[in-house]
Amino acid sequence: EVQLVESGGGLVKPGGSLRLSCVASGFTFTNAWMHWVRQAPGKGLEWVGRIKRKTDGGTTDFAAPVRGRFTISGDDSINTFYLQMNSLKTEDTAVYYCETDDYGGAWGQGTLVTVSS
Amino acid sequence: QSALTQPPSASGSPGQSVTISCTGTSSDVGGYNYVSWYQQHPGKGPKLMIYEVSKRPSGVPDRFSGSKSGNTASLTVSGLQTEDEADYYCASYAGSSSVFGTGTKVTVL
Repeated sequence: EVQLVESGGGLVKPGGSLRLSCVASGFTFTNAWMHWVRQAPGKGLEWVGRIKRKTDGGTTDFAAPVRGRFTISGDDSINTFYLQMNSLKTEDTAVYYCETDDYGGAWGQGTLVTVSS
Repeated sequence: QSALTQPPSASGSPGQSVTISCTGTSSDVGGYNYVSWYQQHPGKGPKLMIYEVSKRPSGVPDRFSGSKSGNTASLTVSGLQTEDEADYYCASYAGSSSVFGTGTKVTVL
Protein backbone atom coordinates (compact mmCIF):
# COMPACT_ATOMS: atom_id res chain seq x y z
CA GLU A 1 0.00 0.00 0.00
CA VAL A 2 1.30 3.42 -0.96
CA GLN A 3 1.44 5.65 2.09
CA LEU A 4 2.93 8.99 3.16
CA VAL A 5 3.35 10.14 6.76
CA GLU A 6 4.41 13.69 7.65
CA SER A 7 5.88 14.94 10.88
CA GLY A 8 7.71 17.93 12.27
CA GLY A 9 5.04 20.58 12.51
CA GLY A 10 4.66 22.87 15.49
CA LEU A 11 4.69 26.41 16.79
CA VAL A 12 7.55 28.65 15.70
CA LYS A 13 8.21 32.37 16.00
CA PRO A 14 8.43 34.61 12.93
CA GLY A 15 11.90 34.41 11.46
CA GLY A 16 12.41 30.91 12.82
CA SER A 17 13.01 27.60 11.06
CA LEU A 18 11.35 24.21 10.96
CA ARG A 19 11.99 20.97 9.09
CA LEU A 20 9.12 18.77 8.01
CA SER A 21 9.63 15.09 7.18
CA CYS A 22 7.64 12.84 4.88
CA VAL A 23 8.20 9.08 5.11
CA ALA A 24 7.12 7.11 2.05
CA SER A 25 6.15 3.45 2.12
CA GLY A 26 4.97 1.09 -0.60
CA PHE A 27 7.16 2.79 -3.18
CA THR A 28 10.57 4.49 -3.51
CA PHE A 29 10.16 8.25 -3.40
CA THR A 30 13.09 8.86 -5.75
CA ASN A 31 11.03 7.13 -8.47
CA ALA A 32 8.20 9.66 -8.14
CA TRP A 33 7.55 13.36 -8.37
CA MET A 34 6.97 14.40 -4.76
CA HIS A 35 5.22 17.61 -3.78
CA TRP A 36 4.61 19.72 -0.70
CA VAL A 37 1.22 21.42 -0.56
CA ARG A 38 -0.18 23.64 2.18
CA GLN A 39 -3.61 24.74 3.30
CA ALA A 40 -4.05 27.79 5.49
CA PRO A 41 -6.94 27.61 7.97
CA GLY A 42 -10.24 27.81 6.10
CA LYS A 43 -8.50 28.33 2.76
CA GLY A 44 -7.78 26.32 -0.38
CA LEU A 45 -4.81 24.23 -1.39
CA GLU A 46 -1.56 25.98 -2.33
CA TRP A 47 1.35 24.30 -4.09
CA VAL A 48 4.61 24.87 -2.20
CA GLY A 49 7.31 22.93 -4.03
CA ARG A 50 8.41 19.62 -5.51
CA ILE A 51 11.34 17.30 -6.10
CA LYS A 52 11.38 15.46 -9.41
CA ARG A 53 12.13 11.74 -9.71
CA LYS A 54 15.80 10.89 -10.11
CA THR A 55 15.43 9.91 -13.77
CA ASP A 56 14.05 13.40 -14.43
CA GLY A 57 17.03 15.00 -12.73
CA GLY A 58 15.92 15.00 -9.09
CA THR A 59 15.75 18.81 -9.17
CA THR A 60 13.51 21.02 -7.06
CA ASP A 61 11.08 23.84 -7.87
CA PHE A 62 9.24 26.21 -5.54
CA ALA A 63 6.31 28.58 -5.55
CA ALA A 64 7.19 32.26 -5.60
CA PRO A 65 6.09 33.01 -1.98
CA VAL A 66 8.56 30.49 -0.54
CA ARG A 67 11.38 30.56 -3.10
CA GLY A 68 14.70 31.33 -1.44
CA ARG A 69 13.34 30.45 2.04
CA PHE A 70 12.30 26.80 1.64
CA THR A 71 14.36 23.86 0.37
CA ILE A 72 13.57 20.20 -0.33
CA SER A 73 15.97 17.30 0.17
CA GLY A 74 15.77 13.57 0.57
CA ASP A 75 17.41 10.60 2.25
CA ASP A 76 17.20 7.55 -0.01
CA SER A 77 18.32 5.21 2.75
CA ILE A 78 15.18 5.81 4.81
CA ASN A 79 12.83 6.70 1.94
CA THR A 80 12.18 10.11 3.47
CA PHE A 81 12.11 13.58 2.04
CA TYR A 82 12.15 16.88 3.83
CA LEU A 83 10.89 20.44 3.61
CA GLN A 84 13.31 22.84 5.30
CA MET A 85 11.55 26.10 6.07
CA ASN A 86 13.61 29.14 7.02
CA SER A 87 12.74 32.78 7.69
CA LEU A 88 9.19 31.76 8.48
CA LYS A 89 6.42 34.34 8.26
CA THR A 90 2.98 34.44 9.87
CA GLU A 91 1.47 33.83 6.43
CA ASP A 92 3.23 30.45 6.28
CA THR A 93 0.81 29.18 8.95
CA ALA A 94 -0.96 26.18 7.43
CA VAL A 95 -1.38 22.43 7.39
CA TYR A 96 1.43 21.06 5.23
CA TYR A 97 0.90 17.92 3.18
CA CYS A 98 3.31 15.80 1.16
CA GLU A 99 1.78 14.13 -1.86
CA THR A 100 2.41 12.35 -5.12
CA ASP A 101 0.22 11.67 -8.15
CA ASP A 102 2.41 8.69 -9.03
CA TYR A 103 1.74 5.12 -7.95
CA GLY A 104 -2.00 5.79 -7.87
CA GLY A 105 -1.67 8.93 -5.82
CA ALA A 106 -1.15 9.44 -2.10
CA TRP A 107 -1.39 12.26 0.42
CA GLY A 108 -0.10 12.34 3.94
CA GLN A 109 -2.33 13.19 6.88
CA GLY A 110 -0.87 16.69 7.12
CA THR A 111 1.14 18.45 9.81
CA LEU A 112 0.21 21.85 11.25
CA VAL A 113 2.75 24.65 11.18
CA THR A 114 1.87 27.73 13.22
CA VAL A 115 4.03 30.82 12.90
CA SER A 116 3.23 33.24 15.69
CA SER A 117 4.97 35.37 18.28
CA GLN B 1 1.67 31.97 -11.06
CA SER B 2 -1.99 32.83 -10.47
CA ALA B 3 -4.42 30.26 -9.11
CA LEU B 4 -6.59 28.47 -11.65
CA THR B 5 -10.18 29.70 -11.67
CA GLN B 6 -12.96 27.41 -10.47
CA PRO B 7 -16.59 28.25 -9.64
CA PRO B 8 -17.02 28.57 -5.86
CA SER B 9 -19.93 26.15 -5.78
CA ALA B 10 -21.87 23.57 -7.75
CA SER B 11 -24.80 21.39 -6.85
CA GLY B 12 -27.05 18.62 -8.06
CA SER B 13 -29.59 16.12 -6.85
CA PRO B 14 -28.72 12.46 -6.29
CA GLY B 15 -28.39 10.69 -9.63
CA GLN B 16 -27.78 13.89 -11.57
CA SER B 17 -24.50 15.07 -13.07
CA VAL B 18 -22.39 18.06 -12.14
CA THR B 19 -19.48 19.53 -14.09
CA ILE B 20 -16.77 21.72 -12.57
CA SER B 21 -14.59 23.94 -14.74
CA CYS B 22 -10.96 24.88 -14.15
CA THR B 23 -9.68 27.76 -16.24
CA GLY B 24 -6.03 28.62 -16.62
CA THR B 25 -3.77 29.86 -19.38
CA SER B 26 -1.59 28.50 -22.14
CA SER B 27 1.24 28.43 -19.58
CA ASP B 28 -0.46 25.84 -17.43
CA VAL B 29 -3.73 24.03 -18.29
CA GLY B 30 -3.55 24.77 -22.00
CA GLY B 31 0.12 23.99 -22.38
CA TYR B 32 0.36 20.52 -20.85
CA ASN B 33 -1.72 17.39 -20.40
CA TYR B 34 -0.95 17.32 -16.69
CA VAL B 35 -4.17 18.36 -14.97
CA SER B 36 -5.22 16.59 -11.79
CA TRP B 37 -8.37 16.73 -9.69
CA TYR B 38 -8.61 16.20 -5.92
CA GLN B 39 -11.54 15.59 -3.59
CA GLN B 40 -11.42 16.84 -0.01
CA HIS B 41 -14.04 16.09 2.61
CA PRO B 42 -14.29 18.42 5.64
CA GLY B 43 -11.48 17.87 8.09
CA LYS B 44 -9.80 15.31 5.85
CA GLY B 45 -6.80 15.28 3.53
CA PRO B 46 -7.28 15.48 -0.23
CA LYS B 47 -7.62 12.43 -2.46
CA LEU B 48 -6.51 12.10 -6.08
CA MET B 49 -9.51 11.51 -8.36
CA ILE B 50 -8.15 12.26 -11.85
CA TYR B 51 -4.61 12.68 -13.20
CA GLU B 52 -3.18 13.55 -16.61
CA VAL B 53 -6.49 15.22 -17.57
CA SER B 54 -8.63 12.10 -17.81
CA LYS B 55 -6.99 9.11 -16.13
CA ARG B 56 -8.57 7.55 -13.04
CA PRO B 57 -6.49 5.91 -10.31
CA SER B 58 -7.48 2.44 -9.29
CA GLY B 59 -10.42 2.53 -6.90
CA VAL B 60 -11.93 5.80 -8.12
CA PRO B 61 -15.46 5.18 -9.45
CA ASP B 62 -15.98 5.62 -13.18
CA ARG B 63 -18.65 8.19 -12.31
CA PHE B 64 -15.73 10.62 -12.18
CA SER B 65 -14.35 11.76 -15.52
CA GLY B 66 -12.02 14.51 -16.71
CA SER B 67 -11.50 16.38 -19.96
CA LYS B 68 -9.78 19.46 -21.33
CA SER B 69 -10.42 21.95 -24.10
CA GLY B 70 -7.95 24.73 -24.66
CA ASN B 71 -7.15 26.47 -21.38
CA THR B 72 -10.09 24.94 -19.50
CA ALA B 73 -10.23 21.54 -17.84
CA SER B 74 -13.41 19.97 -16.51
CA LEU B 75 -14.39 17.36 -13.95
CA THR B 76 -17.76 15.65 -14.37
CA VAL B 77 -19.38 13.63 -11.63
CA SER B 78 -22.19 11.50 -13.02
CA GLY B 79 -24.84 9.76 -10.96
CA LEU B 80 -24.21 12.01 -7.95
CA GLN B 81 -24.15 10.29 -4.58
CA THR B 82 -24.33 11.82 -1.13
CA GLU B 83 -20.70 10.89 -0.45
CA ASP B 84 -19.63 13.05 -3.41
CA GLU B 85 -20.42 16.16 -1.37
CA ALA B 86 -16.97 17.68 -0.83
CA ASP B 87 -14.54 20.33 -2.01
CA TYR B 88 -12.86 19.71 -5.35
CA TYR B 89 -9.59 21.23 -6.53
CA CYS B 90 -7.88 21.10 -9.89
CA ALA B 91 -4.13 21.43 -10.29
CA SER B 92 -1.87 21.83 -13.29
CA TYR B 93 1.78 21.49 -14.15
CA ALA B 94 3.10 24.89 -15.23
CA GLY B 95 6.67 24.28 -16.29
CA SER B 96 8.88 25.45 -13.43
CA SER B 97 6.00 25.27 -10.97
CA SER B 98 2.57 23.81 -10.40
CA VAL B 99 -0.64 25.59 -9.51
CA PHE B 100 -3.92 24.70 -7.82
CA GLY B 101 -7.39 25.91 -8.57
CA THR B 102 -9.46 28.06 -6.21
CA GLY B 103 -11.66 25.13 -5.23
CA THR B 104 -15.33 24.24 -5.75
CA LYS B 105 -17.75 23.12 -3.07
CA VAL B 106 -20.10 20.48 -4.44
CA THR B 107 -23.41 20.12 -2.64
CA VAL B 108 -25.72 17.15 -3.15
CA LEU B 109 -29.22 18.51 -2.72
